[in-house]
Amino acid sequence: NAGVTQTPKFQVLKTGQSMTLQCAQDMNHNSMYWYRQDPGMGLRLIYYSASEGTTDKGEVPNGYNVSRLNKREFSLRLESAAPSQTSVYFCASWDPWDSYKDGYTFGSGTRLTVV
Amino acid sequence: AQSVTQLDSHVSVSEGTPVLLRCNYSSSYSPSLFWYVQHPNKGLQLLLKYTSAATLVKGINGFEAEFKKSETSFHLTKPSAHMSDAAEYFCVVSEGYGGSQGNLIFGKGTKLSVKP
Repeated sequence: NAGVTQTPKFQVLKTGQSMTLQCAQDMNHNSMYWYRQDPGMGLRLIYYSASEGTTDKGEVPNGYNVSRLNKREFSLRLESAAPSQTSVYFCASWDPWDSYKDGYTFGSGTRLTVV
Repeated sequence: AQSVTQLDSHVSVSEGTPVLLRCNYSSSYSPSLFWYVQHPNKGLQLLLKYTSAATLVKGINGFEAEFKKSETSFHLTKPSAHMSDAAEYFCVVSEGYGGSQGNLIFGKGTKLSVKP
């Protein structure tokens, strides 16, 4: 099925460990996003990539890096995990030329716990 | 800068009674507005969207929302709640211009409880 695929679905890290969250979409969308969801905070934008080869900071970028590997893939890296990064992470994709046809497509999320 | 305020963090209704989830927005441009629903431990599902066409927007599962520019509101309603409507609902505005076009700004969410 077409959509956004995130891996892994669950992860537990120790403080200071690093990891990369993977995201891939097969809809040929130009724009991709990483959000984090915390209770009572809604979803907050970490980084986005408006097109292949470009990335920009969102609202809460500290402690994260991203790579837009190609048009399909957009990864999020935690270099040195901290307990404050315990959250649910969502990847999404969208294309302006779709003109809001079906809204934004979200992955199913990665639940990350940092102990 | 664009922003969204969901006026209630928690709404509780009885099954069969109307649902009203309130949302106000702030936008410098003509906004695109969305409502998303998230059931427990699930991803996000688009309920409906407003993109400068009809001001009354119908979505899935009997939900609808009305865009009122004069009130900067985009409230979500449903005539009769069902147990399966229990979930968290997010009002979302999209920045319409510039390099950040497409970035979604989320409200903090309204948790809807439905009592039998």
